Amino acid sequence: GNSVTQMEGPVTLSEEAFLTINCTYTATGYPSLFWYVQYPGEGLQLLLKATKADDKGSNKGFEATYRKETTSFHLEKGSVQVSDSAVYFCALSNYGGATNKLIFGTGTLLAVQP
Amino acid sequence: NAGVTQTPKFRILKIGQSMTLQCTQDMNHNYMYWYRQDPGMGLKLIYYSVGAGITDKGEVPNGYNVSRSTTEDFPLRLELAAPSQTSVYFCASSYSTSDETQYFGPGTRLLVL
Repeated sequence: GNSVTQMEGPVTLSEEAFLTINCTYTATGYPSLFWYVQYPGEGLQLLLKATKADDKGSNKGFEATYRKETTSFHLEKGSVQVSDSAVYFCALSNYGGATNKLIFGTGTLLAVQP
Repeated sequence: NAGVTQTPKFRILKIGQSMTLQCTQDMNHNYMYWYRQDPGMGLKLIYYSVGAGITDKGEVPNGYNVSRSTTEDFPLRLELAAPSQTSVYFCASSYSTSDETQYFGPGTRLLVL
């Protein structure tokens, strides 16, 4: 079945460092891909998404490109800030029946130190 | 707009007790979802609803029940709490299948002892 695999954390970086969080997926058909972020004590928020191959999603300096040939959707940011410390979830939409269900990866904790 | 709200924020239950987790959204979304989040396991879908009066099972429905009598409300019921149901529960909603973005509530942390 469909699944999402993302790199285990925690990822610890210094402020202004480059960030990559790897995400690969297994899916039939052509799912949409998402990155959600969960700040401490809060629910998940959509960070960015891409709906077809070669699309690039971007938001708040974060980017991810939908790569069908490598079944990947890696999250990148050129210069992280302490405020980016959070758990990041990669997800894919899995259309089944009457609604799009999301399948999530296990999450990657990012800790940015000043 | 308040978005998706959940109550309570935290609850401790004894084994065998029952409770209802409340979820309300004010965005007029048709689709609503319940997830549980276990440490290191990501989110698993418990139940979902595509509109008032229509619900269906997700990946991990055992031990839970839901109802959807209005567009706004989607309560989750635990009838006989078990330690395996200790988790953080998130409610989410989305507008339609063409807009796949789901909007999440702040979560309910449940501890079953």
